[in-house]
Formats: sequence, structure tokens, C-alpha cells
Amino acid sequence: EPEVTQTPSHQVTQMGQEVILRCVPISNHLYFYWYRQILGQKVEFLVSFYNNEISEKSEIFDDQFSVERPDGSNFTLKIRSTKLEDSAMYFCASSEAHTTNTEAFFGQGTRLTVV
Amino acid sequence: RKEVEQDPGPFNVPEGATVAFNCTYSNSASQSFFWYRQDCRKEPKLLMSVYSSGNEDGRFTAQLNRASQYISLLIRDSKLSDSATYLCVVKAGTASKLTFGTGTRLQVTL
Repeated sequence: EPEVTQTPSHQVTQMGQEVILRCVPISNHLYFYWYRQILGQKVEFLVSFYNNEISEKSEIFDDQFSVERPDGSNFTLKIRSTKLEDSAMYFCASSEAHTTNTEAFFGQGTRLTVV
Repeated sequence: RKEVEQDPGPFNVPEGATVAFNCTYSNSASQSFFWYRQDCRKEPKLLMSVYSSGNEDGRFTAQLNRASQYISLLIRDSKLSDSATYLCVVKAGTASKLTFGTGTRLQVTL
């Protein structure tokens, strides 16, 4: 069964450092997303990406964040200067379309710990 | 008011019990509704979409009441493997983002 894969599974970084989280979406999917979940809290939308550009972003997704699809398979989330409050599980997701009832498939997540 | 509101639980039920979860959403423009399941420290996985007419998938039944902006999930004959957090999720119109509730934790015991 096709799946979304994310690397690394766990990343520890020092405050102020840049991190890049990587995702390989399902191959025939066209829409890509990043969500995050702070421990004990709900899953929150960060950004969606389609046709090589951001289609929607939340207020969490400020100038410290960027996304990129550098080649035909990878989809990355970069945090330029990490803060303690960026510690969370980051989930990548992809879907074939974004119309009603289209399922979004989630990767297993990257646990980011900022120290 | 929260966009998607759920009772956090936990719901502790014995095997074989029937359990129901409720969810309310605030955005009347919401058009798509889902229940996702999330195991501890794992990714959310789609359990079922929720349709206006109500729908059933084995032991799971989902209902939607658009007038009350209310969604429910019924689990019959609970199994130990049903223990997880159940996430109510909505999508507004053609917007691509999913909006999650905080989830309701279910613990099924022997």
C-alpha cells in the first residue's frame, strides 16, 4: 500500500538552529500539507502546497517557516531559527485532490525537540 | 468558540460495550466531515467520512446533523483494539485544510 514517508523520525536541535524536515508524498498525489501537533494538543494545519506554490497557510506559518518541493518526489519544511515552542510532532500529508471527502494520507511524523 | 469541539474523555468501557462520541463545529460553511483515529504518538488515520444521510462501516456508524452542526460516531461491540483517540475533523468548502478537534480518548478494557 502506498504511503507517505517522513525523515527523520526524531530530530533534536538547539534553539536558533535551522532544521529541514523531509517528506515523500504518495507518488500520484498533487496536494501536499504540513500539520503539527504539540504534545497533548490538537493537530494544527500549517500549510498546503499545490502546483509548486503555497495554496493556503495558517497564522502559525510565519516567516520562520518555508516549504519546498526541490525535486519530483521530496516535499520539505524548513524552520529557519527554531524556538523552544516549535517542539512538536510534524506530520506531512498528501491527497489526490482537495475537493470534498478526498482522503488525506498522513506520514508517521517527525518528532522535533528544540533544546 | 472552538472551531471543532469534542469531549476529551477518557471513555473507559468494557469489551463488547457500545460507545458514542459527539462533536460540534462552529463554521456553518463546513462541507466535509471525517472521523480519524490516532494511536498514541502516531499519525492520524482516516476511520470514515461522514455523510448527511449517515453511514455505517461494520461496527462504526457516523451521523451528521447540519442544522445543529453536530457529528457523532457510534462504536458497537467495542474491541480492545479500538482503544485510541478519535478525532473529529471538518473541511470548509473547497478549502484544502483539515480542522481537527482535540480528540476523544477511548480505553476499552477486559
